[in-house]
Amino acid sequence: ILNVEQSPQSLHVQEGDSTNFTCSFPSSNFYALHWYRWETAKSPEALFVMTLNGDEKKKGRISATLNTKEGYSYLYIKGSQPEDSATYLCAWVPYGGATNKLIFGTGTLLAVQP
Amino acid sequence: GAGVSQTPSNKVTEKGKYVELRCDPISGHTALYWYRQSLGQGPEFLIYFQGTGAADDSGLPNDRFFAVRPEGSVSTLKIQRTERGDSAVYLCASSFGLAGGSDTQYFGPGTRLTVL
Repeated sequence: ILNVEQSPQSLHVQEGDSTNFTCSFPSSNFYALHWYRWETAKSPEALFVMTLNGDEKKKGRISATLNTKEGYSYLYIKGSQPEDSATYLCAWVPYGGATNKLIFGTGTLLAVQP
Repeated sequence: GAGVSQTPSNKVTEKGKYVELRCDPISGHTALYWYRQSLGQGPEFLIYFQGTGAADDSGLPNDRFFAVRPEGSVSTLKIQRTERGDSAVYLCASSFGLAGGSDTQYFGPGTRLTVL
């Protein structure tokens, strides 16, 4: 069974803190890695799609890196704000299938205290 | 512009009943996906449509689950003889269906199904 794992499972930080979490995925058959943010009662929102080893993506205070050889990606949030509170999901796309189905981790729940 | 919409937002049913969940994708998106998120888990793939046809239904758990997309737009996920284990959030996503793993999928808000 090929699993995607995320850590930590949950995280509580103070407003202004910087934080990061990890997504681990199988390094073989890698095609792409997606990051989503899912706020309660809303739709999951696409943050990044990463395909190349060494990729770095940035969107405002959020950035992500990718290491396909060792099978991990880091998501960083600089200066956390209460509105960053959400579940952050990563999803691996294996190479070779006929579809682009996403294989998700269980997510990291981030709570930012004002 | 309009995103992916799903109806109903919540559905409570009794064990053994039949339910239908609807997904309206983003206009122009040819690819449509259904996922299911059970408590404490990440979303799990159920089925993928390219146009009207189900290109990959390998994630459907058993033959009680069926999905259609007759005109290549709206899709309906149908669950027969519901069981308590079917309780989950059912998510729909659509995309342009581009080749390559970088095709971004845009998700709806989900339907929360509770089977009593």
